[in-house]
Amino acid sequence: GAVVSQHPSRVICKSGTSVKIECRSLDFQATTMFWYRQFPKQSLMLMATSNEGSKATYEQGVEKDKFLINHASLTLSTLTVTSAHPEDSSFYICSARDGELGAFFGQGTRLTVV
Amino acid sequence: DAKTTQPPSMDCAEGRAANLPCNHSTISGNEYVYWYRQIHSQGPQYIIHGLKNNETNEMASLIITEDRKSSTLILPHATLRDTAVYYCIVRVLISRDDKIIFGKGTRLHILP
Repeated sequence: GAVVSQHPSRVICKSGTSVKIECRSLDFQATTMFWYRQFPKQSLMLMATSNEGSKATYEQGVEKDKFLINHASLTLSTLTVTSAHPEDSSFYICSARDGELGAFFGQGTRLTVV
Repeated sequence: DAKTTQPPSMDCAEGRAANLPCNHSTISGNEYVYWYRQIHSQGPQYIIHGLKNNETNEMASLIITEDRKSSTLILPHATLRDTAVYYCIVRVLISRDDKIIFGKGTRLHILP
């Protein structure tokens, strides 16, 4: 199946700093990418949908100024958690969609804010 | 909100077939049924998808009822590596409005 690479897999940052997470589709062009967060023992919660070259569409309750999403090319989307706080600690997962093939997921990024 | 309902957990003996049900009674005519699974601390893995007909691949089989209001994912010979949370999702393909909304899924335990 198609490969989606997410980097880094783990990151620890200090409270108040910003963290960037990259999501790349390695062998296909992704017109749409999705970003999720997942708390322990819970399901994935959709944060935002981004289409290449367009502004991201955020789900209700997700702060667009805190979670900056850039989808500058057909193979790369980035999520920046700005001014991170301990409550932002979570597992962040991206997904890239390739038309008929469906959507494929990255391996996730474990963010810990201390 | 997720448009699917799944049992929260199931057990299956190793080597037996695991049958995971999913209800999607409000599915629309152009919505596909997708199955993913998530092994602990990893991203979801695609398993299979279908529209109306039953589907089979190297991982699993998908049985969709004639009225399309429910489906069953079948893992024919479950192994310990199949222990995971399994998510059933309905979605419209090839649409800029496509969203992949996860429900709570079924936590499948494969017992040795």
